[in-house]
Formats: sequence, C-alpha cells, structure tokens
Amino acid sequence: DAKTTQPPSMDCAEGRAANLPCNHSTISGNEYVYWYRQIHSQGPQYIIHGLKNNETNEMASLIITEDRKSSTLILPHATLRDTAVYYCIVRDGDSWGKLQFGAGTQVVVTP
Amino acid sequence: SAVISQKPSRDICQRGTSLTIQCQVDSQVTMMFWYRQQPGQSLTLIATANQGSEATYESGFVIDKFPISRPNLTFSTLTVSNMSPEDSSIYLCSVEDTGGQPQHFGDGTRLSIL
Repeated sequence: DAKTTQPPSMDCAEGRAANLPCNHSTISGNEYVYWYRQIHSQGPQYIIHGLKNNETNEMASLIITEDRKSSTLILPHATLRDTAVYYCIVRDGDSWGKLQFGAGTQVVVTP
Repeated sequence: SAVISQKPSRDICQRGTSLTIQCQVDSQVTMMFWYRQQPGQSLTLIATANQGSEATYESGFVIDKFPISRPNLTFSTLTVSNMSPEDSSIYLCSVEDTGGQPQHFGDGTRLSIL
C-alpha cells in the first residue's frame, strides 16, 4: 500500500522557489520522511529527511506539519538542473533497508 | 557519502543468456541492496545482499532468477539469469551504513534484452 501521495507533475520557473507537497496521513510516530530525486539516466539522489522538526541543508528545506500528516520540500531557487522526479518516502527510523518508492512528482524547471 | 560504481553501465543481451552486474563501494558499508526500475516505472527492491549469507529476497523475486553474492563489505554482484525481454530494466545498487540513515544509490545498469 502506498504510504505517500504526491502530485504527478509540477512546473516551476527558473530562479523561483519550488514547493513540492507530500501527504502521508498514516505516518506513525517513529517514521521519518525522506526525499530523493532522480535525474534522467541517474540513480536516485538523497536530498533530505526529517522526523518532526523542519530541516534545512545545502540542497533544500523540509517543512513537516505539526500533525506530521503532510510535508513540503522547498527548493529555494530552482535551476534547470533541478528538473527530475522527486520521491517522498516514509520509513521507520529504526529499520534497515527497504525504501518504498511511489510514482513521485515530475518537476520541470523552465527558463 | 560513499561512492558507488556499477559495471556495466549498460548492456544489450540476447534472450536466454545471463548477465552479472557488479557493485563496488569505496568504503565498507553494512547493508547493500539491489533494486529494479522497469521502463517508465518507479524503483522496486529485489533483495538485500547479506555478507556471508544468502540474500534476502522480496516477494516476487527468487534466487534462481536473481542470484546475488556479497563476498565482503565493499562489493556485491547481481546476476539476471535466463533473460527475457521482460527483464529489460535499470538495475540499481544502493548502500546504507547505519540503520535509519540515508541510502545512497549507484547510477544503475541499463539492460536491454532482444
């Protein structure tokens, strides 16, 4: 069963912020939210993950709602190189292994 | 993060043959995994490659079709046996060093079967 729901596609203008939503209404207390992206012809690239606090790194920010049922990945200044499929995945924080990939969101950044 | 190299990066094979894909990591890692990505689809976990013991396969994947080796903490192989056109996919290796930490992926092996 899918644990996350994402829009199938989004367009974003170069230089603007891209806000990618993800619903995970059945998330449990020890599950983290992970974001990966896959640029064409490459393997998935880890972006960021979080449990309940907002997180920021050099690539993106992750905003998790207080009830943890949804989150938003923010790419602050989208570039053409950010065109990719973005995957939101929930995963038990104490477990090894399986990442359950859904269909993701195809993000196209346009000039 | 670990640097992961897969060989070959792509191949075209004849029906009924087998191909072994290699995954090399530049540092010792606890866990190694193999995923499949069929054309236009998302990734599906095939198995966990266990060092010193048999791989752990996900539902729908069997050892006879996808034998896996993991002789040490930096290397694993996946063999796709008796290939058919339905096996045309990208096969990806991933690694994880500590439970709950991010997995990191190689760039995959793009396999086409004629």
